[in-house]
Amino acid sequence: GENVEQHPSTLSVQEGDSAVIKCTYSDSASNYFPWYKQELGKRPQLIIDIRSNVGEKKDQRIAVTLNKTAKHFSLHITETQPEDSAVYFCAAPNGGSQGNLIFGKGTKLSVKP
Amino acid sequence: DTGVSQDPRHKITKRGQNVTFRCDPISEHNRLYWYRQTLGQGPEFLTYFQNEAQLEKSRLLSDRFSAERPKGSFSTLEIQRTEQGDSAMYLCASSLLSQGLYGYTFGSGTRLTVV
Repeated sequence: GENVEQHPSTLSVQEGDSAVIKCTYSDSASNYFPWYKQELGKRPQLIIDIRSNVGEKKDQRIAVTLNKTAKHFSLHITETQPEDSAVYFCAAPNGGSQGNLIFGKGTKLSVKP
Repeated sequence: DTGVSQDPRHKITKRGQNVTFRCDPISEHNRLYWYRQTLGQGPEFLTYFQNEAQLEKSRLLSDRFSAERPKGSFSTLEIQRTEQGDSAMYLCASSLLSQGLYGYTFGSGTRLTVV
């Protein structure tokens, strides 16, 4: 099955700086890569996703890039704000499954005002 | 109601007791998933349903765990003879197959504490 590694586990940035979180996956057949944001005590929420037929996707201050050759994908947050502080999870489909996602262990992002 | 609802939000139980959680998905969603999340970890897949059919179960789902979705709407997850290792957040998610396999909407979860 799929294996997803996420780095770093914690990330602290100053307000206005950029933040980058990276994930690697093992199954070259994986074709969908979502990112979820989970604020303390709340449910995970999908913030952006990318399919394997594109290399980059942007949504305002958030972007995701995908390198299929190297089997890694990254979340980029620009102009960070204190409300970006949360735990971010990457995920990839479990090999052979039709709906099961394997999640990374999460990155705790702290944005200092 | 436009979201995924889970009940109860919190459950404290003594070791050895049985517990049951309920999930009400978004009404038109035909897929329903159960995940478990422990502190400092990402969600771990337990099982999922398409309509009333349970299509996949994780090896994490021991014989003490059972899930149902009898009419293809709400689902229940039962844990029998709870153990301290069962303490976790149990998350339900739903999606509409026609909108893609993985477009999950998660509920707020049921936090289980086994004492």
